[in-house]
Amino acid sequence: EVQLVESGGGLVQPGQSLRLSCTAFGFSFGDYDLSWFRQAPGKGLEWVGFIRRKGHGGTTEYTASVKGRFTISRDDSKRIAYLQMNSLKTEDTASYYCTRWTFGGVMVWGQGTLVTVSS
Amino acid sequence: QSALTQPASVSGSPGQSITISCTGTISDIGGYNYVSWYQHNPGKAPKLMIYDVSDRPSGVSSRFSGSKSGSTASLTISGLQAEDEADYYCSSFTSSSTVVFGGGTKLTVL
Repeated sequence: EVQLVESGGGLVQPGQSLRLSCTAFGFSFGDYDLSWFRQAPGKGLEWVGFIRRKGHGGTTEYTASVKGRFTISRDDSKRIAYLQMNSLKTEDTASYYCTRWTFGGVMVWGQGTLVTVSS
Repeated sequence: QSALTQPASVSGSPGQSITISCTGTISDIGGYNYVSWYQHNPGKAPKLMIYDVSDRPSGVSSRFSGSKSGSTASLTISGLQAEDEADYYCSSFTSSSTVVFGGGTKLTVL
């Protein structure tokens, strides 16, 4: 079964860092681009960024509000994608979803992990 | 403010059809056929309902259809059912290699 499982969410104070992990099952991990999305409480869905497969350069793209603070990386040997979040702000509080990315639409989503940034 | 514009809410009776619009620009919807629609229920992961403007993933009911004209995309749900009640989001790839969403539309089945 194709599955993505996020972990690493929790409560952190503003200015601190947190790293989310996304472990993949049931598909050839290295053959796909991966992306992260989030949804803040009471708000809509928001794209955070994506990382291309190694064969397409392994490069990343980010939404403006996280550029310079968040970094997406991948370890194909472990089938894990990471979202490193630095200088966290209260407005980063959200459920974060890892996905198998395709340009036309995202079919495979993780269950989400909650990040709360509060003092 | 979201990059794509959707109505905040729509409603319909069982059996009726509804259409949700999603307006963008030439830099997103108008420039690419990478428009998708998601159904989202609280506490669950979003579910892809339409990809590449008008294609349906396997397992999604044929009652769901998508289209695009210029910089406006539309999701139509025919034969409304109670189980269709959810939030619906449109999304598009952009010329900046980013992804934008609409603010979401709450569908109420009366």
